[in-house]
Amino acid sequence: NAGVTQTPKFQVLKTGQSMTLQCAQDMNHNSMYWYRQDPGMGLRLIYYSASEGTTDKGEVPNGYNVSRLNKREFSLRLESAAPSQTSVYFCASRDRTLMNTEAFFGQGTRLTVV
Amino acid sequence: SQKIEQNSEALNIQEGKTATLTCNYTNYSPAYLQWYRQDPGRGPVFLLLIRENEKEKRKERLKVTFDTTLKQSLFHITASQPADSATYLCALLAGTALIFGKGTTLSVSS
Repeated sequence: NAGVTQTPKFQVLKTGQSMTLQCAQDMNHNSMYWYRQDPGMGLRLIYYSASEGTTDKGEVPNGYNVSRLNKREFSLRLESAAPSQTSVYFCASRDRTLMNTEAFFGQGTRLTVV
Repeated sequence: SQKIEQNSEALNIQEGKTATLTCNYTNYSPAYLQWYRQDPGRGPVFLLLIRENEKEKRKERLKVTFDTTLKQSLFHITASQPADSATYLCALLAGTALIFGKGTTLSVSS
């Protein structure tokens, strides 16, 4: 059982380049999330998708776009990368239909923008 | 806006002592609160959940309390071990958004 899978694990981009971070879950969860984690800042929510076909902005959405491709996949796109987007990105999923369920996280993508 | 605050970035204790971590929240009335553990280079892993009508929840050496009047949750690790060294995060649901505190890094020395 793979859980939440993120690709790639590491990436170096030049300023202005674009890329898409991929996330897939095999637990049939309806809610999916993208976070970034920076030293001293904790996990900050970028975007989330409560269910297939819906997406909402989180705390720090500027510079990012998302696509909920289907129930399994939720991608995060940087259209024009900036050094301020250097961070570790985590994808998570949870079952929203149950009241008290935890989130499952991927292993993270470490992104460096130079 | 909703805020979750964990009162210290770092906590250093000796092996065998009880570690107590604090999570405070404002501008929200969550139905429950969650606690996660994160090891370096890894994603967070769920530990415990406590509902608003539960005062206390235990799991092995872990204990969580939830005071909705104070808007605070306390997370205790009893008989701490060096293997408990990690970052601990609290989280709550704001609608369907799962919001995390900044975390407290616990270091247990032998």
